[in-house]
Amino acid sequence: GENVEQHPSTLSVQEGDSAVIKCTYSDSASNYFPWYKQELGKGPQLIIDIRSNVGEKKDQRIAVTLNKTAKHFSLHITETQPEDSAVYFCAADYAGGTSYGKLTFGQGTILTVHP
Amino acid sequence: EAQVTQNPRYLITVTGKKLTVTCSQNMNHEYMSWYRQDPGLGLRQIYYSMNVEVTDKGDVPEGYKVSRKEKRNFPLILESPSPNQTSLYFCASSLSWGSNYGYTFGSGTRLTVV
Repeated sequence: GENVEQHPSTLSVQEGDSAVIKCTYSDSASNYFPWYKQELGKGPQLIIDIRSNVGEKKDQRIAVTLNKTAKHFSLHITETQPEDSAVYFCAADYAGGTSYGKLTFGQGTILTVHP
Repeated sequence: EAQVTQNPRYLITVTGKKLTVTCSQNMNHEYMSWYRQDPGLGLRQIYYSMNVEVTDKGDVPEGYKVSRKEKRNFPLILESPSPNQTSLYFCASSLSWGSNYGYTFGSGTRLTVV
């Protein structure tokens, strides 16, 4: 089955700096890579996703890049703000065959943005 | 408001006492799933359901049961809870099977088994 590794486990930055979280996956059949943000006391919320036919996607201050050859993808947050502080999860999925859309998550990254 | 509602939010129980965590979604989603979240392990899938009366095991199904008698409800049942099932549980739903449609998560149920 799919295995997703996420690094770092914790990340501390100053407000205004950039933050980068990296993930690798094992199954070359995976074709969908979402990122979720989990605020304290809440469930994960989808913030951005990328599909295997795209190398990069941006949405305001966040961007995701995908390298299918190396089987890794990254989340980039620019101009970080204190409200970006949360736990971030990457995930991978292969939809097709008998997989029935099983989303496999990374271990999570605790991002702290200091004012 | 489109949402996934879990109950209860917090639960403390004793070993062996059967319990049910309810999950309901109001988005007419076909796909529903249960995850548990543990420190350093991320979110691991327990069970999922592609549609009414169709359920299957995820990565960590031991000690859990589910049912999908109605499209909107997907309860998680612990027949005989044990301390190693102490965890934070999330229910999620998606428009259809295949998370390409994006998951909507509930707010979580923190379960403690003593």
